[in-house]
Formats: sequence, C-alpha cells, structure tokens
Amino acid sequence: IQLTQSPSSLSASAGDRVTITCRASQGIGSSLAWYQQKPGKAPNLLMFGASILQSGVPSRFSGSGSGTDFTLTISSLQPEDFATYYCQQLNSYPRTFGPGTRVEIK
Amino acid sequence: EVQLVESGGGLGQPGGSLRLSCAASGFTFSSYEMTWVRQAPGKGLEWISYISTSTTTVYYADSVKGRFTISRDNAKNSLFLQMTSLRVEDTAVYYCARVDNSYYFAMEVWGQGTTVTVSS
Repeated sequence: IQLTQSPSSLSASAGDRVTITCRASQGIGSSLAWYQQKPGKAPNLLMFGASILQSGVPSRFSGSGSGTDFTLTISSLQPEDFATYYCQQLNSYPRTFGPGTRVEIK
Repeated sequence: EVQLVESGGGLGQPGGSLRLSCAASGFTFSSYEMTWVRQAPGKGLEWISYISTSTTTVYYADSVKGRFTISRDNAKNSLFLQMTSLRVEDTAVYYCARVDNSYYFAMEVWGQGTTVTVSS
C-alpha cells in the first residue's frame, strides 16, 4: 500500500489552521496513524485509528477520514508544532509511511 | 520508565555486516511485538521489519528482504537486527519501536536511534 501526503511542505504562522492530507493507494479502513517528528528526535505518535488522539497530545490536533483519504488538522498552530508530520498505514505489511509534510514558520 | 535504547551502529563496509541491538526496560518486553524503522539522512521514515512476541512471525520491507534478519531474546529484553550485504543506501538512523495493540498497532514507544553509515 502506497501513501501520498500533501502538501510536501507548508509555511504557516502561529495561530493558523493547518490541514495535511494523506491518501492511500487502496482502502485501509481506519488503520492510519499520524506521527510528529522534530529534527534529531524520534517520531512521536499523535493519532491512531485515524481519529483517536494519543494521550497527552493537545486537543488542537484532530484527525479524520477512512478508506483512502485522511486528514490531520491543527486548529491553531503553536510554535512547538513546527515539525514534520508522517502518516502510516497499519492495515497490512509492510507498514508504509507517507513521505512526510514539513510545517515551517512563515 | 518505559525505554528503548539502540546500540551497535557505526561504520560498515559495502558488502559487510553489522548487528544492531535494542534494549527494552520498564515494560514486559515479551508481551509486545516490535519493529525497526530507519531514516536516511534528510529523508522520511521507512518501516523495515516486524517481529511477533513469540518470534514465529516476521516481516520485512522489500528493500532489506534477504539481507536483514530481525530477532529477539525475551529473556534478555532485547531486540536485534542483523544486517548483511550492506549497501550505501542502508546509511540511516535506525530506530526500534514498540507496537501497541491498544493503539491499533501504532508505535507509541521509540528508541533514540542508532546511526549506521555504509561507506568504503
């Protein structure tokens, strides 16, 4: 299963609403996770089951979608949210990741 | 504290071998499936291997199939990745990660990563 993400990068300001899209090459139900990664650090799980927020993750993050189309939304971008975001399908092996979306400061 | 600590990275020769280790602590290692994920310099994440709790089931990405072998020692709370026939394109940071069935098989616990450089 191939995953694509759009955009590949974006520039935004603190307080902006940001939406990242992940598309799967075939239906995966709700078997999708989102991770945040900051430079030099391991990824951090944000969301699983497409829309279930991991404990401790701020509520400004939300996820939606099922089948082949998914979105990650940050309702009001905070300085600590500038990072790269990856989706990952958990429907079948190999557990592919999307290519990532880099969120940069405008 | 739940923790994963990788080791064994370093410089490898093309065609050579390296063995990575991942030491688990703070949880019942034998109850969790485990994976390896890598990240080449400036690139995205690449899932490369999975192992079940009892080692009966393993999976590999096509990019490493036939060259890498995942294994574990539940008595020693350790995960391993035996890397052979190394290629320059295997240069990456290698992370071990815990698969959490309660999180729909997502990976919630990650190590800090170990760097593998393949170069002559």
